[in-house]
Amino acid sequence: GAVVSQHPSWVICKSGTSVKIECRSLDFQATTMFWYRQFPKQSLMLMATSNEGSKATYEQGVEKDKFLINHASLTLSTLTVTSAHPEDSSFYICSARARTGGAGTEAFFGQGTRLTVV
Amino acid sequence: EDQVTQSPEALRLQEGESSSLNCSYTVSGLRGLFWYRQDPGKGPEFLFTLYSAGEEKEKERLKATLTKKESFLHITAPKPEDSATYLCAVLGTGGFKTIFGAGTRLFVKA
Repeated sequence: GAVVSQHPSWVICKSGTSVKIECRSLDFQATTMFWYRQFPKQSLMLMATSNEGSKATYEQGVEKDKFLINHASLTLSTLTVTSAHPEDSSFYICSARARTGGAGTEAFFGQGTRLTVV
Repeated sequence: EDQVTQSPEALRLQEGESSSLNCSYTVSGLRGLFWYRQDPGKGPEFLFTLYSAGEEKEKERLKATLTKKESFLHITAPKPEDSATYLCAVLGTGGFKTIFGAGTRLFVKA
């Protein structure tokens, strides 16, 4: 099956530092990757969509200068939380969709990253 | 605008007590309707894709069905390990974003 690997699974950082989260599709090429944020007992909140080789599209209210997204290849996207503050503490999840056409509409999720900013 | 509404928000069942979760959707042309399972502290796990009304898919104790306006996830004789949040999502022909519902939190008691 389609596997998406997200790393790290958890990270603790000091306020003011930056943290990078990686999302890799291991056995398929992902033309589109999505980054979500999830608060406790709430559903997924889409932050941004990234297509390989182009700039990410951010959802309304998401600061693009704070959450830097890079989709450098068909198998890798990164989310960098810059100058992190305690309010950025959350569960971040990526998902990847394979090349479309036919049945290629499913998005597969990484394991998620628990970020704690102290 | 594409929209997904799931009900109930939470469902408590006894082990072996079958039930159904509902997902109502509006979309401008359906490319796919998806069901995911999410355990606490983990990313959603893909369960099913349904593409057209009348389609059904099964996996162990789960069966997903689809009409033109809603989808049901039927859980037959659930076990405690089926406890999780079940997410429904749609992808329309008019966009590239998968739209998620708020989820149904299922608790199965032994």
